[in-house]
Order: sequence, then C-alpha cells, then structure tokens
Amino acid sequence: EPEVTQTPSHQVTQMGQEVILRCVPISNHLYFYWYRQILGQKVEFLVSFYNNEISEKSEIFDDQFSVERPDGSNFTLKIRSTKLEDSAMYFCASSYPGPGTEAFFGQGTRLTVV
Amino acid sequence: AQSVTQLDSHVSVSEGTPVLLRCNYSSSYSPSLFWYVQHPNKGLQLLLKYTSAATLVKGINGFEAEFKKSETSFHLTKPSAHMSDAAEYFCVVSGHSGGGADGLTFGKGTHLIIQP
Repeated sequence: EPEVTQTPSHQVTQMGQEVILRCVPISNHLYFYWYRQILGQKVEFLVSFYNNEISEKSEIFDDQFSVERPDGSNFTLKIRSTKLEDSAMYFCASSYPGPGTEAFFGQGTRLTVV
Repeated sequence: AQSVTQLDSHVSVSEGTPVLLRCNYSSSYSPSLFWYVQHPNKGLQLLLKYTSAATLVKGINGFEAEFKKSETSFHLTKPSAHMSDAAEYFCVVSGHSGGGADGLTFGKGTHLIIQP
C-alpha cells in the first residue's frame, strides 16, 4: 500500500540552527502539506503546496519557514533559525485534489530544539 | 470559520465493551468530516470520512460514525473494543469547497485506553 514517508524520525538541533525535514509523498498525489503538533496541543496546519508553489499557509508559517519540492519525489520543510518553541512533531501529508479529500499522513518527525 | 471539539481527552473501556468517542463541530460551509487514528510511533491513519452522502459512515476495523447536522455532531463508535484499538483518535473537519486538505481543522484528540 502506498504511504507517505518522512525522515528523520527524530531530529535534535541547537537553537538558531537550520533544519530540513524531508518527506516523500505518495507518487501520484498532487497536493502536499505540512502540519505540526506541539506536545499536548492540537495538530495545526502550516502550509499546502500545489503545482510547485504554496497554495495556502497559516499564520504560523512565517519567514523562517520555507518549503520546496526539489525533484519529482521529495517535499521538504526548512526552518532557517530554529527556536525552542519550534519543538514539535511535524507531519507531512499528501492528497488528490477535490472537495472532501482526505490527506494521507506520514509518521512524523519529532523535532527537539535545545 | 470552523472548529472541532472532542469532548473527552481520555476514554477508558474494557475489552469487548462498546466505544464512544464524541466530537462536535462548527463550520460555515457544508462540512466534510473525518476520523483519524494515531497509534504510538505511527502516522495518522484515516478511519472514515463523511462527505454529504449517507449520514452513517462505516470505516475500517469495525468503527462507524453518524453525522447529525441538528446536533453538529460526528461521534465515533465501535460495538466491541479490542486491545489493538488503544490509540489517539482525532476528529477533523474540512469546510473548504475547493480541493485538497489545507482546510482541515483538527480536534485535540481523544486517548482511548482499553482495559483487559
């Protein structure tokens, strides 16, 4: 069964460092997303990506964040200068277009900023 | 605007007894509703979805949910709990009329505990 894969499963980084979280979406999906879940809080939408550009982003997705689809298979989230409050589980997802479409999620990357 | 409230942060049931996980939503649009499950160290897996067809929706692993517009509810049920059902469950609403999942709003989750 096709699945979304994320690497690494756990990343520890020092405050101020740049991190790149990687995702391989399901191959024939067209929409790609990043969500995050701070410990004990809700899963929050960060950004969606379609046709090689950002289609929607939340208030959380400020200038320190960027996304890229560098080739035909990978989808990355870069955090330029990490802060302690960026510590969270980050989920990548992909979907077909269409109303009521469900997202298929990866296992998540736990980011710990120290 | 849309929101989701999962009424219980933890639910504990005995194996073999019924499961009820409660969810209320609000949405400015005709909503699509989903239940996702997250087992420890796993990703989010879709259990079932409602997209304006039948109000009683059947999902995987014996789960089902009923959309009640008058009560703005989408409660998840299962007649008989199994130990493997122990997980975190998320109720999710999508109110966008367009495509994709960027309109998904998650509830805080309900942790389901199964007692032997």
